[in-house]
Amino acid sequence: KAGVTQTPRYLIKTRGQQVTLSCSPISGHRSVSWYQQTPGQGLQFLFEYFSETQRNKGNFPGRFSGRQFSNSRSEMNVSTLELGDSALYLCASSLAETYEQYFGPGTRLTVT
Amino acid sequence: AQSVAQPEDQVNVAEGNPLTVKCTYSVSGNPYLFWYVQYPNRGLQFLLKYITGDNLVKGSYGFEAEFNKSQTSFHLKKPSALVSDSALYFCAVRDTSPGGSYIPTFGRGTSLIVHP
Repeated sequence: KAGVTQTPRYLIKTRGQQVTLSCSPISGHRSVSWYQQTPGQGLQFLFEYFSETQRNKGNFPGRFSGRQFSNSRSEMNVSTLELGDSALYLCASSLAETYEQYFGPGTRLTVT
Repeated sequence: AQSVAQPEDQVNVAEGNPLTVKCTYSVSGNPYLFWYVQYPNRGLQFLLKYITGDNLVKGSYGFEAEFNKSQTSFHLKKPSALVSDSALYFCAVRDTSPGGSYIPTFGRGTSLIVHP
């Protein structure tokens, strides 16, 4: 089976712009989660989707949003980018209730 | 609020020796506990999990972890370390009890360095 894929792998944006990141889960996985990884804060949970519904949400401002499509693919959007949004954004997929997550390689976002 | 602590930023061990990477947690309900490994320039990989049952959980690559409810710990262990085990290890917890947050919380990570 193909693993979790994320596009793009690298992204450079300017402060104030918005960005959309994409994630394709492992075939058959209906749960998709997003994380932000930074050296200072470590790995922080953004949100989790299951069958197109947001199931859990972390403690991030409303500038961070996401959605899941009927084929389980997911996107996350960050509006009005700030320098502090520079991070590695990781997507993970899992079977419905196992919570055993399989991570993609991440999207490295740099905000200048 | 739930939390995970990995008290050691770095663990050094000689190849062939046993290794332990420590993790303690705090949740109000019943924890689901996980270990993940992140190799350089690669994504996080699932190693093992504890949900219920035997306190000793076996996972990938010869790793195992022991759940200790009284000490709220979930230490990762391997009887004989390999140089290729050198990586960043993350412990994670979810509170899946009724009324629990269900939000996954990760530790800050422990860098394991195995010396030849």
